[in-house]
Amino acid sequence: EIVMTQSPATLSVSPGERATLSCRASQSVSSNLAWYQQKPGQAPRLLIYGASTRATGIPVRFSGSGSGTEFTLTISSLQSEDFAIYYCQQYNNWPPRLTFGGGTKVEIK
Amino acid sequence: QVQLVESGGGVVQPGRSLRLSCAASGFALSNYAMHWVRQAPGKGLEWVAVISYDGKTRYYADPVKGRFIISRDNSKNTLYLQIDRLRDEDTAVYYCARGDGYDVFDIWGRGTMVTVSS
Repeated sequence: EIVMTQSPATLSVSPGERATLSCRASQSVSSNLAWYQQKPGQAPRLLIYGASTRATGIPVRFSGSGSGTEFTLTISSLQSEDFAIYYCQQYNNWPPRLTFGGGTKVEIK
Repeated sequence: QVQLVESGGGVVQPGRSLRLSCAASGFALSNYAMHWVRQAPGKGLEWVAVISYDGKTRYYADPVKGRFIISRDNSKNTLYLQIDRLRDEDTAVYYCARGDGYDVFDIWGRGTMVTVSS
């Protein structure tokens, strides 16, 4: 199983500041990585797939980068609605053995 | 409006069975692979199973293999998850999610809570 590790567990950021979230895979997943946002009591929402492609309707302040084992999600200027938990997910196995990271909580500083 | 609505959760005793449903609207379920993902209280996300668009191919996460069965009825635009021999560790919110292929979850339902308790 490919283990996904996210850091930090919690990130305290002021509105308007940049947030940088990290995700590491235990082995290469190429660019087969997605990011999701989850707010309390809500279902997750797809933000990024293919490591760097924004999903439909996702604001440009969200960007993803990386390949292989190291990935980054950057939120360029945090808005109030961006405070949430973010998960990375790899999809590099066949047959599918999809795995998520443990999440990074972005909270208001 | 593209939407997924889960139902069928509840409080169930260990060892019993439960069937969850996921009703799709706003799109043709028959065009997509579909997934179940669960989230234990206060925990992260765990992929459970996927079924191909035509129902002919299914894959499961190792912790649920042999106890969970994913199925679909495209004529009813509905996805199912049969859970047998429920265990305490199956307590979670169960989400159905539309697959962009087998890989990525592009639409999610709001989830249904399953609590395993005697």
